[in-house]
Amino acid sequence: DAGVIQSPRHEVTEMGQEVTLRCKPISGHNSLFWYRQTMMRGLELLIYFNNNVPIDDSGMPEDRFSAKMPNASFSTLKIQPSEPRDSAVYFCASSLAGTSGEQFFGPGTRLTVL
Amino acid sequence: AQSVTQPDIHITVSEGASLELRCNYSYGATPYLFWYVQSPGQGLQLLLKYFSGDTLVQGIKGFEAEFKRSQSSFNLRKPSVHWSDAAEYFCAVANTNAGKSTFGDGTTLTVKP
Repeated sequence: DAGVIQSPRHEVTEMGQEVTLRCKPISGHNSLFWYRQTMMRGLELLIYFNNNVPIDDSGMPEDRFSAKMPNASFSTLKIQPSEPRDSAVYFCASSLAGTSGEQFFGPGTRLTVL
Repeated sequence: AQSVTQPDIHITVSEGASLELRCNYSYGATPYLFWYVQSPGQGLQLLLKYFSGDTLVQGIKGFEAEFKRSQSSFNLRKPSVHWSDAAEYFCAVANTNAGKSTFGDGTTLTVKP
């Protein structure tokens, strides 16, 4: 099992540019989560999907952020336009709803917006 | 609503000393509880979990945790800390129906030589 796969691992972009982060969950998992981690705010849940449907997006900071899950094996988190305050590590995690709830985390994408 | 409190933001222990990291939770039903560890530059990794049975659970890397319902606590322990245990530790409680977990703010562990 390859675990949760995220790409890219590092992204450096300029303010105003569009950024797309990608995630492939563990095969068979039906819940997917996007988190943001910063020194100031810690680990924040941005949005999560269950069976490809967004369930709770209350953590999405503003309309510049959007997330999609077109199928069970792929999700994207897009920031458009990006701002320096979006600089953070973004984690994707997956789990199997209805079981113990253990989440499996990807290695994260470190985003730097200049 | 479920919540998790980790009272200690930062703990420093000497290598070889014992360790206890505190976690208190609030949840309306029988909780599913977890401890995760995050080493620098990496994602979170599960250390151990509890959802029924023996209230003392064993995890990886020599860690254990004890569930105490009367105190709403799930403290993490290790009898002898190694330098490689320096990391950030997160306690979490799960809503299993949704597959969603609520995480504490984390405790950063520093290990002195």
